[in-house]
Amino acid sequence: KQEVTQIPAALSVPEGENLVLNCSFTDSAIYNLQWFRQDPGKGLTSLLLIQSSQREQTSGRLNASLDKSSGRSTLYIAASQPGDSATYLCAVGVDSNYQLIWGAGTKLIIKP
Amino acid sequence: NAGVTQTPKFQVLKTGQSMTLQCAQDMNHNSMYWYRQDPGMGLRLIYYSASEGTTDKGEVPNGYNVSRLNKREFSLRLESAAPSQTSVYFCASTSGGRRPQHFGDGTRLSIL
Repeated sequence: KQEVTQIPAALSVPEGENLVLNCSFTDSAIYNLQWFRQDPGKGLTSLLLIQSSQREQTSGRLNASLDKSSGRSTLYIAASQPGDSATYLCAVGVDSNYQLIWGAGTKLIIKP
Repeated sequence: NAGVTQTPKFQVLKTGQSMTLQCAQDMNHNSMYWYRQDPGMGLRLIYYSASEGTTDKGEVPNGYNVSRLNKREFSLRLESAAPSQTSVYFCASTSGGRRPQHFGDGTRLSIL
């Protein structure tokens, strides 16, 4: 059974720092991996989607990498800003209907 | 551009009551999903509909039923609410597995 883990559960860094969020999964047979952002009391916003055949995706200050063999993905945020404060979740697509198995998220606080 | 709309946003029920959570998307997406999110945990899939006319169980279907009314609408019904069903419920949709899922803002449900 696929399990997804995100460590740490919470992270607080000063504004301007570059940072890395981690996601690990137990079964390398995945269809894709997605990173989402969740603001308090809101739904989830998709940030990046990496297909199983890809190694990384970039969008603005965000870069996500995927290493299926080691069961790991990282989300790199460059030059962090207070507006980046949110909970970041990763989710793994596990079948042809693209059911997602989710990590519990990393709560990120960027201090001004 | 509304995206995914969920109603109601908040609801308090008594144990044993029934209710239906509504979800509608205006993006012409084929697939729709219902998740629940509990504190400290990742999202868990309740039911999904890969296409109009089909529904399938997810990870935690017990106590719930769904209806894919048409391509736009996917409802979730609690027949006899239990305190363990207190949670935040999210509806999501996607045009296909290679595209990200789009989420509604959630329904916060409390069962007393």
